[in-house]
Amino acid sequence: AQKITQTQPGMFVQEKEAVTLDCTYDTSDQSYGLFWYKQPSSGEMIFLIYQGSYDEQNATEGRYSLNFQKARKSANLVISASQLGDSAMYFCAMREGQTGRRALTFGSGTRLQVQP
Amino acid sequence: DGGITQSPKYLFRKEGQNVTLSCEQNLNHDAMYWYRQDPGQGLRLIYYSQIVNDFQKGDIAEGYSVSREKKESFPLTVTSAQKNPTAFYLCASSPDRGSTDTQYFGPGTRLTVL
Repeated sequence: AQKITQTQPGMFVQEKEAVTLDCTYDTSDQSYGLFWYKQPSSGEMIFLIYQGSYDEQNATEGRYSLNFQKARKSANLVISASQLGDSAMYFCAMREGQTGRRALTFGSGTRLQVQP
Repeated sequence: DGGITQSPKYLFRKEGQNVTLSCEQNLNHDAMYWYRQDPGQGLRLIYYSQIVNDFQKGDIAEGYSVSREKKESFPLTVTSAQKNPTAFYLCASSPDRGSTDTQYFGPGTRLTVL
């Protein structure tokens, strides 16, 4: 079964608007971490934001915030005030803590294009 | 500067050849990882290592081998047994402290089989 699902292969957003990228996950662990990475055309994976399964508040990092809904097993990335430089692939990933392997499982990604 | 370096950036291999991709980190991280990315897809785990002289197979280890003789270095060898090695290879490292630690990635190596 797929552990990380990103259902939006591509998204468009106007510059300065907000956009939400969807991510749902599946795990039986109680302790896990959820990550979002940005991959520009150069290929390097850039860490954006992290949410722990026990964190009570949604994570925020500058223009990035994570809408964490534990009961629904979703961890959507919200980018506010989109900029042209935000155009890239975005990947959701999970690391299972106590019993799972200690590496990331990635979704298939969402390509975001910011239009002027 | 602290970070992860991968070399070479581009690599071309003839069929039947083994090639080795380099990954070095100076972040003093315990854990290191190798991922493969095919066009339009997410990353898949090849091998990972949580400590020197120890490593574990990931989801797609067949046709690959690794070593971890030093904390800073985690080279990946793509052997002739790997049927379709053309892909983008990414190395990562993390402090390896439970589920909360973050993996940081190198710039990647693009391997093409001629």
